[in-house]
Amino acid sequence: TQLLEQSPQFLSIQEGENLTVYCNSSSVFSSLQWYRQEPGEGPVLLVTVVTGGEVKKLKRLTFQFGDARKDSSLHITAAQPGDTGLYLCAGARGNNNDMRFGAGTRLTVKP
Amino acid sequence: DSGVTQTPKHLITATGQRVTLRCSPRSGDLSVYWYQQSLDQGLQFLIQYYNGEERAKGNILERFSAQQFPDLHSELNLSSLELGDSALYFCASSVGSTNPGELFFGEGSRLTVL
Repeated sequence: TQLLEQSPQFLSIQEGENLTVYCNSSSVFSSLQWYRQEPGEGPVLLVTVVTGGEVKKLKRLTFQFGDARKDSSLHITAAQPGDTGLYLCAGARGNNNDMRFGAGTRLTVKP
Repeated sequence: DSGVTQTPKHLITATGQRVTLRCSPRSGDLSVYWYQQSLDQGLQFLIQYYNGEERAKGNILERFSAQQFPDLHSELNLSSLELGDSALYFCASSVGSTNPGELFFGEGSRLTVL
């Protein structure tokens, strides 16, 4: 079983729609990160959250860390085809930076 | 370009064989991480080195081993290969070893075991 469960596993939407993907765990994390991975490339960091309840915005992307630091969500407003990719959440439970990843949400945004 | 270099990009080999994957971290990064990505299990953490020493171990099989050299490059050795070892193997690096720290990933080495 995955330490971090991501849902949905697949999501296909039309350009301009809004969406939310989730990252859940029964464990508490000292920090949580979201990465995006495109085909043929390694994951690239989007954001890091460290404080329970923290909300961060990156243009049309809004990231939230749960109050108990066990879960997180990523909301995309007015999705564009360029948002297509695999969205991965990753968490660390102690001081060390050995991030553990969820299986990801594969997003397709159709023009 | 993340600055992390992995070689080879593609590797095809047979069951029972041994292969070595190589990673050069970003200039100045002391931590190196290895991850395995397969379709059914996502990105699995294998092992982390910091400045030449093992720092954390994940789901790494006994048939696999790794090391980080004085020049900070790292190698992942996979032996007695099985069909199920076919996957993308990613190396990542970060400046330090404490979190939160951004992981910079290479483009991966795709291993196919026939």
